[in-house]
Amino acid sequence: DIHMTQSPSSLSASVGDRVTVTCRASQGISNYLAWYQHKAGEVPKLLIYDASGLQSGVPSRFSGSGSGTDFTLTISSLQPEDVATYYCQKYDSAPWTFGQGTKVEIK
Amino acid sequence: EVQVVESGGGLVQPGGSLTLACEGSQFNTFWLNWIRQAPGKGLEWVANIKEDGSEEYYVDSVKGRFTISRDNAKKSLYLKMNSLTAEDTAVYYCTRGHYDDYRGQGLLVTVSS
Repeated sequence: DIHMTQSPSSLSASVGDRVTVTCRASQGISNYLAWYQHKAGEVPKLLIYDASGLQSGVPSRFSGSGSGTDFTLTISSLQPEDVATYYCQKYDSAPWTFGQGTKVEIK
Repeated sequence: EVQVVESGGGLVQPGGSLTLACEGSQFNTFWLNWIRQAPGKGLEWVANIKEDGSEEYYVDSVKGRFTISRDNAKKSLYLKMNSLTAEDTAVYYCTRGHYDDYRGQGLLVTVSS
């Protein structure tokens, strides 16, 4: 099975900072990758699909890139409401594994 | 707007069984998934089933214990869970497609004596 590794596991940044989260697949998955935001007490929210497609209604400060084994989620200007745990998930073939998550906090 | 109604969560003893159900207004033309999150842990994909029910897949930790099924006439998804252990304690979500917003609130399953 393909393993998904996110880094870092957590980060703390200031409001307005550019934040980058990476997700690495142990084998190539083309662009079959999604990013989710999960805030405490809420259900997960889809941010990015097909590695770089922005889900409708998601602020444009969120962007995704990558293909094959290496992927990136970028928040161009971190806002207080972005405090959450972010997960990547592959869906090229079963199992549709998640990364372990990256917790983003405000410094 | 996709409407999702989930049912079947609750408290069950170790070794017991439970069936989760999820009904969605636009389920029939999508793969359907069960995702879970154990307390203090990350999201874990559990199982999914093809649009026509002809293929189903499971995470290794539930193979042989959980069975996913669907009834397209009822626009419903099910997860039959047997031989439950404390490690199955989690909030369970049903989702549709290869990627999508989570449209239900999730079902809490607690395995405890």
